[in-house]
Amino acid sequence: SAVISQKPSRDICQRGTSLTIQCQVDSQVTMMFWYRQQPGQSLTLIATANQGSEATYESGFVIDKFPISRPNLTFSTLTVSNMSPEDSSIYLCSVEVTGDDTQYFGPGTRLTVL
Amino acid sequence: QKEVEQDPGPLSVPEGAIVSLNCTYSNSAFQYFMWYRQYSRKGPELLMYTYSSGNKEDGRFTAQVDKSSKYISLFIRDSQPSDSATYLCAMSEAGGYQKVTFGIGTKLQVIP
Repeated sequence: SAVISQKPSRDICQRGTSLTIQCQVDSQVTMMFWYRQQPGQSLTLIATANQGSEATYESGFVIDKFPISRPNLTFSTLTVSNMSPEDSSIYLCSVEVTGDDTQYFGPGTRLTVL
Repeated sequence: QKEVEQDPGPLSVPEGAIVSLNCTYSNSAFQYFMWYRQYSRKGPELLMYTYSSGNKEDGRFTAQVDKSSKYISLFIRDSQPSDSATYLCAMSEAGGYQKVTFGIGTKLQVIP
C-alpha cells in the first residue's frame, strides 16, 4: 500500500500568481501522476511525473503552465503558473504501486483563484 | 459524445437497499474497468478492478462488465450510510493506470 500526503490542503490565490503543490509518498514508487478534478467534470490526468527526467504531459496541458519536478521516488511537486479563475480546481497526486497493482490517491489540494 | 458517460445523480436510497451504479462507454478498445469511491474532501480509492467481460465480487460489492453493450455496473448489496460517497467508473485500453478515462462520478446517499 501507499500513504500519500499533499501540501497545502487548500489555498486561495490571486490571479497571475503561482502555487506549488507538494506530494510525499511513504514508500518508493515508480509511477506518480498529477490529476485535476474540476466541479462537474471528470478526473483528468495532467501529467506523469518521471523521476530524473521531464514529465510526460497529456493533451491540453503544457510544461510552462504546469511545471513538475520529481527529484526522487517518494516526492513530486506540481506548480500551477500564472493562475486564472479557470484553474480553480482540486489537484490530486496519485501513485501506482507495482506488485500491488493498485492506484492510490492523495487527499487533494483545493485551489481557488480569485 | 464523451468516451465515458455516467449519471452524476444524486442517487438517494434507504439503508439496506441494493444500489446499482452504471456507466456506458464508446471506445471498444477499453479492456480494463475500475470503480473508485470518493468520500467528500478525500481522494478516490480503488474499489474494484476487472479485465474484460464478466463479474467480480468483493464482499458487498459486485462489478459487472458487458463489453458487447459497452456497459459496466457496480452493485452494492445491503447498502450502509457509510457507503454514501461519489462513485467513479474508469476504464483503460491497457493495464496499469497511466491512460485511464474516468466518468464524472455518481453521488450516492444512503439514508438511515
